[in-house]
Amino acid sequence: QVQLQQSGPGLVKPSQTLSLTCAISGDSVSSNSAAWYWIRQSPSRGLEWLGRTYYRSKWYNDYAVSVKSRITINPDTSKNQFSLQLNSVTPEDTAVYYCARDDKDPGMRIDSWGQGTLVTVSS
Amino acid sequence: DIVMTQTPLSLSVTPGQPASISCKSSQSLLYSNGETYLYWYLQKPGQSPQLLIYEVSSRFSGVPDRFSGSGSGTDFTLKISRVEAEDVGIYYCMQGLHVPLTFGGGTKVEIK
Repeated sequence: QVQLQQSGPGLVKPSQTLSLTCAISGDSVSSNSAAWYWIRQSPSRGLEWLGRTYYRSKWYNDYAVSVKSRITINPDTSKNQFSLQLNSVTPEDTAVYYCARDDKDPGMRIDSWGQGTLVTVSS
Repeated sequence: DIVMTQTPLSLSVTPGQPASISCKSSQSLLYSNGETYLYWYLQKPGQSPQLLIYEVSSRFSGVPDRFSGSGSGTDFTLKISRVEAEDVGIYYCMQGLHVPLTFGGGTKVEIK
C-alpha cells in the first residue's frame, strides 16, 4: 500500500518560492506505470491540477498552463520522493497542496493522496 | 481543457435514503481503447479526497457496494443506494482522459 508523506513550510512570503516535498513509501518514483502529481485546493479555484512527473525510460513533466512559467516538479530517486517548487508566489497561491499518485496508464487514476499542506502566502 | 459540471451543489439526505449526483463533461471521456476515464472521489471533512469509483462504474478497493456509478460519453451519475452518516462530505467527479486533469466543482452531502 503506497503512502505519501508531505513536508514543507506552511507560510511563504509574497514573491518568494513555495517548496514542498512528497516522500513515497510502497512504490518507486521511477515506476514505469505510475505518475506523481501536485494538486492544490482553494475555495476560489476548487481542486486544481498543477502538474506531474513520471518515468517511461526517461523523465517527463507536464504542467498546468496557469502556472507553467513558475513551476518545477522534480523527482529525487536517491530519496524516493518528488518535489514542487512554485516561484514568485502571490496571495492567490494560498491553498492546500496535495501530492498524489496516478497508478494507471493510460487513464489518469489518482488512487493515493498525501495528507495535504496548507500554504499561506502572506508577509 | 475539459470542463466538468456537477449538480446539485448540495444534498441533504435522510439516513437510509438514496442520493444521486450528476456530472457532465464538455467532451466525451471515451478513449480509443474503449475505456471511459471518469472518476468519483469523496472528500470527508478534514481529509484528503479518496477514490470511490474509477472508469465510470468500477468500485475501488474497500468501497461499499451501496456506491455505484453509471453513464457514458459525457453524462455520468454517482448513486448511493442508502446513505449512511459516514458518507457526509464533498463528492467530486474528475476526468482522466486529457491533461490537465480537471475536477467538477463538488457536491456537498449532509445528513438530515
